[in-house]
Amino acid sequence: GAGVSQTPSNKVTEKGKYVELRCDPISGHTALYWYRQSLGQGPEFLIYFQGTGAADDSGLPNDRFFAVRPEGSVSTLKIQRTERGDSAVYLCASSRGTAVSPLHFGNGTRLTVT
Amino acid sequence: QQQVKQSPQSLIVQKGGISIINCAYENTAFDYFPWYQQFPGKGPALLIAIRPDVSEKKEGRFTISFNKSAKQFSLHIMDSQPGDSATYFCAAVNNTDKLIFGTGTRLQVFP
Repeated sequence: GAGVSQTPSNKVTEKGKYVELRCDPISGHTALYWYRQSLGQGPEFLIYFQGTGAADDSGLPNDRFFAVRPEGSVSTLKIQRTERGDSAVYLCASSRGTAVSPLHFGNGTRLTVT
Repeated sequence: QQQVKQSPQSLIVQKGGISIINCAYENTAFDYFPWYQQFPGKGPALLIAIRPDVSEKKEGRFTISFNKSAKQFSLHIMDSQPGDSATYFCAAVNNTDKLIFGTGTRLQVFP
């Protein structure tokens, strides 16, 4: 079946604008993760959903970042008042149950804030 | 965030050689240790994983060695091939299901 799909693959926005990044997980996967990866760095945890609820949002850097997963499938990461420091690749991953199950990553959305 | 320390940052190996990447952690709540492989423009993909009750796990040319008392683990790639050239991340899962990544090792295998 299809893997994790992330759209758009690239997003360029101006400082101060609002952006939404979408993640379509593998069908049937209950767990969904968002990570942020800066150039030359490892993925940095942002938030983890189990079903519709955020099980752990401790990685969200501040209140400009918010994520939802209203029906337990597709998730949207929302960033308000974007800053140049938000520029990175945003990765989404899903798994059957927990992080002990393999995480299947999408190819990411490259966000550039000018 | 809880840390997983990884070294070296980059590694150059000749074809047929052994690639060794090391990781260390401090949080004893970590109970699952996967390695992910990432090619440019792609998301990371699970390569191999180990639990702390096992000292070694081997899958094909890839072996994880785990030292629980030292809180260290390593990835060994035997008979390294040019197709293994990628960035490798060690990672650890804690008791709240959070997967924490190391900083990555860029491996280049030359013919």
